[in-house]
Amino acid sequence: GENVEQHPSTLSVQEGDSAVIKCTYSDSASNYFPWYKQELGKRPQLIIDIRSNVGEKKDQRIAVTLNKTAKHFSLHITETQPEDSAVYFCAAIDSNSGYALNFGKGTSLLVTP
Amino acid sequence: KAGVTQTPRYLIKTRGQQVTLSCSPISGHRSVSWYQQTPGQGLQFLFEYFSETQRNKGNFPGRFSGRQFSNSRSEMNVSTLELGDSALYLCASSLFENTGELFFGEGSRLTVL
Repeated sequence: GENVEQHPSTLSVQEGDSAVIKCTYSDSASNYFPWYKQELGKRPQLIIDIRSNVGEKKDQRIAVTLNKTAKHFSLHITETQPEDSAVYFCAAIDSNSGYALNFGKGTSLLVTP
Repeated sequence: KAGVTQTPRYLIKTRGQQVTLSCSPISGHRSVSWYQQTPGQGLQFLFEYFSETQRNKGNFPGRFSGRQFSNSRSEMNVSTLELGDSALYLCASSLFENTGELFFGEGSRLTVL
């Protein structure tokens, strides 16, 4: 099955700096890569996703890049704000095999003022 | 439109007991999946249902089971509870069969004593 590894497990940045979280996956058939944000005590929520036919996707201050050859994808957050503090999870799935997301173990991001 | 509803929100059981958790997806969503969240392991996939059929099952022992009803509501059952089953159990639904945003419920917090 798919194995997703996520790094780093914790990340601390100062407000205004950029944050980068990286994930690798093992199944070359994976074709959908979402990122979820989970604030303390709340449910995970989708913040951005990318499909295998796209190399990069941006949404305001967040962007995701995908390198299918190397089987890794990354989340980039620019101009970080304290409200970006949360746990971020990457995931990968071969959508032809049903909907079973394989999540990384998460990155706890702390943005200090 | 109501979100994903999970019941009960909190429960305490003792070792050896069994538990049933319920999930009502967003109206119109036919894909329902379950995840176990623990501090050390992140989000681990349990199983996924679409139109009453289990399409995928994660790497959990047979004590974990589930089902989906014709109205897309889902239940998961854990028998012969162990201390290590203490976790937050999250249900998620999706409008699409195998991709797109997963909408998570608030979870059922299970404590096994």
